[in-house]
Amino acid sequence: EDQVTQSPEALRLQEGESSSLNCSYTVSGLRGLFWYRQDPGKGPEFLFTLYSAGEEKEKERLKATLTKKESFLHITAPKPEDSATYLCAVQAPSKPDKLIFGTGTRLQVFP
Amino acid sequence: GAGVSQSPRYKVAKRGQDVALRCDPISGHVSLFWYQQALGQGPEFLTYFQNEAQLDKSGLPSDRFFAERPEGSVSTLKIQRTQQEDSAVYLCASSSSGTYNYEQYFGPGTRLTVT
Repeated sequence: EDQVTQSPEALRLQEGESSSLNCSYTVSGLRGLFWYRQDPGKGPEFLFTLYSAGEEKEKERLKATLTKKESFLHITAPKPEDSATYLCAVQAPSKPDKLIFGTGTRLQVFP
Repeated sequence: GAGVSQSPRYKVAKRGQDVALRCDPISGHVSLFWYQQALGQGPEFLTYFQNEAQLDKSGLPSDRFFAERPEGSVSTLKIQRTQQEDSAVYLCASSSSGTYNYEQYFGPGTRLTVT
């Protein structure tokens, strides 16, 4: 069964304290892996799509990487405005029209 | 341009009532998706449209759930005889391509509370 597991469930960081969020997946023939940011009371906001192992993408303080079994979202020198829930989702060949989401990592960055 | 919009933003229904949730996708987007998000969980797929055709409804939890997109633009998710377990945020997303490998853009969601 296609599955996505995110860790940690929650993460508290001091402003400027870099860290990484993990997304491990079990899917046969990954078609795409997606990272979203979700603020309270809002819908998920698209961040990145990764398609193949070794691929990396960056946006401001965020960098996403992909291996054959997991993806990391690296946050460099975070700011309080980076506080949000970060969701990972995969797209499988068996059901390419739907995204399979993890439960997310709730990130809090304190000044 | 405008993003995905959903209405109402909040809906309170008494158990047994029918509800209708509306989604306006990004103009020109071919694909439209509905997801259900329980508190503290990630979104779970409900159904998918390509234009007006409903190509996948495998995630609809029961026959009380029905979705339509008659003109290939606005979509409505209808829940009949609501139950407490239907309480959740219902998210709509749209995508510019019908070939799967495009990002899905989400609306703000409708929070449904069944009392």
